[in-house]
Amino acid sequence: NAGVTQTPKFQVLKTGQSMTLQCAQDMNHEYMSWYRQDPGMGLRLIHYSVGAGITDQGEVPNGYNVSRSTTEDFPLRLLSAAPSQTSVYFCASSYGAGGSYEQYFGPGTRLTVT
Amino acid sequence: AQTVTQSQPEMSVQEAETVTLSCTYDTSESDYYLFWYKQPPSRQMILVIRQEAYKQQNATENRFSVNFQKAAKSFSLKISDSQLGDAAMYFCAYRSAIKGGSEKLVFGKGMKLTVNP
Repeated sequence: NAGVTQTPKFQVLKTGQSMTLQCAQDMNHEYMSWYRQDPGMGLRLIHYSVGAGITDQGEVPNGYNVSRSTTEDFPLRLLSAAPSQTSVYFCASSYGAGGSYEQYFGPGTRLTVT
Repeated sequence: AQTVTQSQPEMSVQEAETVTLSCTYDTSESDYYLFWYKQPPSRQMILVIRQEAYKQQNATENRFSVNFQKAAKSFSLKISDSQLGDAAMYFCAYRSAIKGGSEKLVFGKGMKLTVNP
């Protein structure tokens, strides 16, 4: 199993540009999440999904969109990049109710917005 | 809303010695999970240990053990026989056990552990 994969690993954007961060998992997990990590802030939840076709907002959703058309994929879209979105982004997945509740993380994407 | 607090931003320990990382949390729920994650310079988030709130016995994983005090809402991590490879950021995290809430991990701000040779 590849686990949770994220692409790209690094990205530089100009203010106002849009892009999609890709996330895929091959563990048939129901739940997938996106976090951002900023210095001194820990990881904060952006959006999450409890299954294909179902998404919801986390703690810091503004400026980001998500969709979940398949169990495996959970892309994160930046609509109009801003310098405040410079961060490291992590995708994570986990089993649903009755499972182990451990979250498995991808390797992260470092995004810089200039 | 649940919160997780790691009050010590940095700690250091000598190789082969023992160090304890502290974590407190706030919740009104009775059933939940607590985790310690390690993030080395590679940036990969690695699960170190977890504790189910309904279990009174403290979790252990090799050199890592926790002191879970449910009434005090405290969840500290003890690393025994510290190794150079233990140097990393450590994050304490809370996750609800309520169905539909299990996807939300609430993290503390992290603590940087340095291991001195």
